Amino acid sequence: AQSVAQPEDQVNVAEGNPLTVKCTYSVSGNPYLFWYVQYPNRGLQFLLKYITGDNLVKGSYGFEAEFNKSQTSFHLKKPSALVSDSALYFCAVRDGLTGGGNKLTFGTGTQLKVEL
Amino acid sequence: DAGVIQSPRHEVTEMGQEVTLRCKPISGHNSLFWYRQTMMRGLELLIYFNNNVPIDDSGMPEDRFSAKMPNASFSTLKIQPSEPRDSAVYFCASSLEDGSYNSPLHFGNGTRLTVT
Repeated sequence: AQSVAQPEDQVNVAEGNPLTVKCTYSVSGNPYLFWYVQYPNRGLQFLLKYITGDNLVKGSYGFEAEFNKSQTSFHLKKPSALVSDSALYFCAVRDGLTGGGNKLTFGTGTQLKVEL
Repeated sequence: DAGVIQSPRHEVTEMGQEVTLRCKPISGHNSLFWYRQTMMRGLELLIYFNNNVPIDDSGMPEDRFSAKMPNASFSTLKIQPSEPRDSAVYFCASSLEDGSYNSPLHFGNGTRLTVT
């Protein structure tokens, strides 16, 4: 079974400071990892993904994420936060093991609040 | 590209009534997903289709829920009879899958269902 954990319900950061939103995962095969963002009253929007290759993945809006196999983590980062980054962030995983199919499992979400 | 279109945006109904939620995926996408989002349970995958065929419906809560995809451009999720515990935001998402299972999902803006 595949699963993902987001240990923080909420992260607060001051504008201009770096931000990190944490995610750990569990899969049987190789992980396919994703980050999505959700603004109020909207659907989720894709930010970035890790499939293979470089452990540092760059995505939309200046976000990046670092894949760490030994720690089974895929933390989302941004060097300088903006107030407009305030939203709900979801980590998701798909098991790359053949037969895992197209099933994407989401974490519980982390509310990011960026303050002036 | 109009994105994934869901209707209605809001639905308020009384317990026992039939509810039908509708989804038009992005043209050319061959996979379609129905998710439910609640505060208590987060994002849950209800069912997904590949090339209009239901692949995994293990997330459908019970027989009151049914989903169809009669063609590549339309899907419905029906609840009959509805109950107050079905109150949630229901999201439809689509993707273009090439067999690698690493394509991002594109979400609609959801249908907020309230059952009184």
